[in-house]
Amino acid sequence: NAGVTQTPKFQVLKTGQSMTLQCAQDMNHEYMSWYRQDPGMGLRLIHYSVGAGITDQGEVPNGYNVSRSTTEDFPLRLLSAAPSQTSVYFCASREGGKNEQFFGPGTRLTVL
Amino acid sequence: RKEVEQDPGPFNVPEGATVAFNCTYSNSASQSFFWYRQDCRKEPKLLMSVYSSGNEDGRFTAQLNRASQYISLLIRDSKLSDSATYLCVVHFGNEKLTFGTGTRLTIIP
Repeated sequence: NAGVTQTPKFQVLKTGQSMTLQCAQDMNHEYMSWYRQDPGMGLRLIHYSVGAGITDQGEVPNGYNVSRSTTEDFPLRLLSAAPSQTSVYFCASREGGKNEQFFGPGTRLTVL
Repeated sequence: RKEVEQDPGPFNVPEGATVAFNCTYSNSASQSFFWYRQDCRKEPKLLMSVYSSGNEDGRFTAQLNRASQYISLLIRDSKLSDSATYLCVVHFGNEKLTFGTGTRLTIIP
């Protein structure tokens, strides 16, 4: 099992550009989530999904969209990048009924 | 008040020593509690869940005090490999995991 994979590992964007962060898991987990991690702050939930076709907003959803067309994939779209979105983004998944979240290796995003 | 609060440290501890961290949470309806470990520039990984009766995993002991709304992590006989940031995580329900900012631990040879 590859676990949770994320691409790209690093990305630099200019203000106003859009892009998609990819996340995939091969563990057949129902639940998937996107977090961002900023210095001095804990990981904050952006969006999450409890299954294919179902998504919901987390704590900091503004400026981001998600979709879940398959169990495996959960891409995060930045619609119009802003410097405030400079962060490390982690995708995570977990099996229904279990507590452990498995995180991907992260994407380091810089918006200039 | 933050929902989950941790002392950011850093804690610099000699190898072989015992070190303990606390974490406080504000929502008394919190359901589940965890400690995650995060190495520098890596993703968080589950270290251990925290149960009401307290639980131990090798050199690590976790305890929960619901009355005072805190959880603790004790590391005995610390190793160089224990150097990391330890994240306190509280689950309120649905997918809402709330993460503390982490406590940085460095074990000194």
